Amino acid sequence: DVKVTQSSRYLVKRTGEKVFLECVQDMDHENMFWYRQDPGLGLRLIYFSYDVKMKEKGDIPEGYSVSREKKERFSLILESASTNQTSMYLCASSIPGQGGQPQHFGDGTRLSIL
Amino acid sequence: AQSVTQPDIHITVSEGASLELRCNYSYGATPYLFWYVQSPGQGLQLLLKYFSGDTLVQGIKGFEAEFKRSQSSFNLRKPSVHWSDAAEYFCAVGEQYGGSQGNLIFGKGTKLSVKP
Repeated sequence: DVKVTQSSRYLVKRTGEKVFLECVQDMDHENMFWYRQDPGLGLRLIYFSYDVKMKEKGDIPEGYSVSREKKERFSLILESASTNQTSMYLCASSIPGQGGQPQHFGDGTRLSIL
Repeated sequence: AQSVTQPDIHITVSEGASLELRCNYSYGATPYLFWYVQSPGQGLQLLLKYFSGDTLVQGIKGFEAEFKRSQSSFNLRKPSVHWSDAAEYFCAVGEQYGGSQGNLIFGKGTKLSVKP
């Protein structure tokens, strides 16, 4: 079974801090994704990556950056955390494929910015 | 642009009753379609997927979904709901354009409550 592991289930940080969310997958998947999930808004794509050192902006990249130095690891960075970034963050991975492929999700990180 | 609509934000059914969750998508050709389930505090788990072939697909946990091209729908069904099915359900469609290599577009979700 594919396993996607997010480093923290719960995280509390202060406004202005630089925050790192880590995600590791063990199935050698090329694609990795970061979403945020808010009530009533569903999943919104922040960034995705098709390969090592490659990244693409999703629908809501403002205030975030990402890093993919190794194939199995995809990090989400909040450069200067703000209260409106309090949310559930979900990481996912998949194989590439035109038209969409099943994504495998981690358990999520619930981030609170105080 | 492609989109996915789940018309029902919240549905309540009695345990043992049948269930149908609605999903409509917008796309001209045959899409790749998915249903996911999210239990409270957890990530999303794939229930089933449709790529081609038989329009009725079976998934895990006793769920099935039917692709209806004429209605642009991919509704999720279960004949008898169990209390453990209480969760949020997301429909998704594969993104279809030249540069896409696996992105999914998700609906906003339907929250299912189960009455004893």
